[in-house]
Amino acid sequence: GESVGLHLPTLSVQEGDNSIINCAYSNSASDYFIWYKQESGKGPQFIIDIRSNMDKRQGQRVTVLLNKTVKHLSLQIAATQPGDSAVYFCAEASFGNEKLTFGTGTRLTIIP
Amino acid sequence: NAGVTQTPKFQVLKTGQSMTLQCAQDMNHNSMYWYRQDPGMGLRLIYYSASEGTTDKGEVPNGYNVSRLNKREFSLRLESAAPSQTSVYFCASRGQGAGREYFGPGTRLTVL
Repeated sequence: GESVGLHLPTLSVQEGDNSIINCAYSNSASDYFIWYKQESGKGPQFIIDIRSNMDKRQGQRVTVLLNKTVKHLSLQIAATQPGDSAVYFCAEASFGNEKLTFGTGTRLTIIP
Repeated sequence: NAGVTQTPKFQVLKTGQSMTLQCAQDMNHNSMYWYRQDPGMGLRLIYYSASEGTTDKGEVPNGYNVSRLNKREFSLRLESAAPSQTSVYFCASRGQGAGREYFGPGTRLTVL
């Protein structure tokens, strides 16, 4: 079946540096992508999303890049802070499909 | 708005006992979902309900039943709990059309 995967399960970044979390997806019909952040003991929280007619979208300190040619999604976090330490999930969906497909997750640790 | 709420927050069961996890959302969303998350793992879909009155199996439905009581509430029942069902359970909801899912805080279930 279709799946969304991540290249790296863990990532450690020095506080203040930028971080990039990557995600590969296999469903070429997917037209909507989401990044979630999950802090320890909490439910996933929405960070940013992007539709397939875009290749870049920016939020506050976060940027999502979409490369449909190679089916790759990335989340860039600028000037990382200790509060950015969490597990980050990508998810994808296609129009008319009621279900999201989630990746395994990447654990980001910010080193003070 | 409370968003998505779940009860209980924690539960310990003995093998063979039954229980119902409750979920409610106040965002007037059509779709609701139940996921489980095992330690260090991603989210796996148990059941979902695309609209009031309908339910469908997800990736791991065995050992569970669900009820979409009304548009707001979606419950998950374990008829005869097994240690393999020890997990964190998340409920989520989603509005009409493709879009983000909103997650509850989770229920931490231990089956002895």
